Amino acid sequence: ETGVTQSPTHLIKTRGQQVTLRCSSQSGHNTVSWYQQALGQGPQFIFQYYREEENGRGNFPPRFSGLQFPNYSSELNVNALELDDSALYLCASSLDRLEQYFGPGTRLTVT
Amino acid sequence: KQEVTQIPAALSVPEGENLVLNCSFTDSAIYNLQWFRQDPGKGLTSLLLIQSSQREQTSGRLNASLDKSSGRSTLYIAASQPGDSATYLCAVDNQGGKLIFGQGTELSVKP
Repeated sequence: ETGVTQSPTHLIKTRGQQVTLRCSSQSGHNTVSWYQQALGQGPQFIFQYYREEENGRGNFPPRFSGLQFPNYSSELNVNALELDDSALYLCASSLDRLEQYFGPGTRLTVT
Repeated sequence: KQEVTQIPAALSVPEGENLVLNCSFTDSAIYNLQWFRQDPGKGLTSLLLIQSSQREQTSGRLNASLDKSSGRSTLYIAASQPGDSATYLCAVDNQGGKLIFGQGTELSVKP
């Protein structure tokens, strides 16, 4: 059974640029949730995809968007990057929105 | 609005000591509560999940309890080891897989 994987591991972008982060869910899971974790803080919920439909969104602006594909993998896109977007981005997968399993995260640095 | 608080923010104990980490939440209408471990710069590892109908869960040296009426959960670690050093995060699910996290307790176990 393959766990949750994320790519890339690290990323450095310039303010104003756009970024795409990727997540492969655990085998058999149909739900992917994305979280942002600033240094020294707990993760904050960005949004969730359940069976390819957005199923809830946290307090993040529209420049944060996502997709879920038929194989239940997912992308997080962030447009017009700001310095405050620098964080660890975590993806979690689950079956029918139950117990969540997290990937290793993508460390995004915006300069 | 659900809020999750973890006390203490940091804890240092000598090896072999039993310890308790605390988590409190403001809205008792939860689906479940999960405890996670996070090593520096890494993703989250699920330790225990307690369904709303359960009072406790055990895994090895770990025991988590849940008291919904008082809005509290505790994570008990028996016979602590240096390898237990990490940040421990409590997360509440009251909207179908959209976790709300506390800020974590940073645990250091000294040899």
